[in-house]
Amino acid sequence: EVQLVESGGGLIQPGGSLRLSCAASGFTVSSNYMSWVRQAPGKGLEWVSVIYSGGSTYYADSVKGRFTISRDNSKNTLYLQMNSLRAEDTAVYYCARDLTCNYWGQGTLVTVSS
Amino acid sequence: QSVLTQPPSVSEAPRQRVTISCSGSSSNIGNNAVNWYQQLPGKAPKLLIYYDDLLPSGVSDRFSGSKSGTSASLAISGLQSEDEADYYCAAWDDSLNGQVFGGGTKLTVL
Repeated sequence: EVQLVESGGGLIQPGGSLRLSCAASGFTVSSNYMSWVRQAPGKGLEWVSVIYSGGSTYYADSVKGRFTISRDNSKNTLYLQMNSLRAEDTAVYYCARDLTCNYWGQGTLVTVSS
Repeated sequence: QSVLTQPPSVSEAPRQRVTISCSGSSSNIGNNAVNWYQQLPGKAPKLLIYYDDLLPSGVSDRFSGSKSGTSASLAISGLQSEDEADYYCAAWDDSLNGQVFGGGTKLTVL
């Protein structure tokens, strides 16, 4: 059974850093495209980043240069390193499998506030 | 302002049929597959339609997708109260080199 479990969210001050994790089971992260998608409170879905099975990465303009997507094949885990956080980064962050996002985690809430 | 345009809300009576539109451009819908997601209140999104018109295993055949040019549509027939949710379209955008979502459509079953 495919499962995705995000962790690492929390309250962080503007300018701070957080690393989100997405532990996968039931499939191999490195063999799939993996995405991060976020949803600000009361708002719609916003794509954040994707890492291809071959290792190529792409980012939304809103996070480019501040966020880094990566994976640890030995842990079958996807990461999102978030630096220079801003209030507008406040959202629930979901990881999802494949470009179709056929499986989603339950999400982890990141709140950027002083 | 979302790259893909959806109506903010639609409503219809039970057992009726409703369609949700998604308008884009040649760099996204016109050249790439469209996926649709259902998000029930307080839940994570769920894939409803992929590659324009394919149903994932376990999704009711009351849901169907179509695409023409730079627009796509999601149709839901035999509406039920449990279909009340937010619906999002998405597609890869070749110009932005990223995935783009519609702003979402809230479906109310009257």
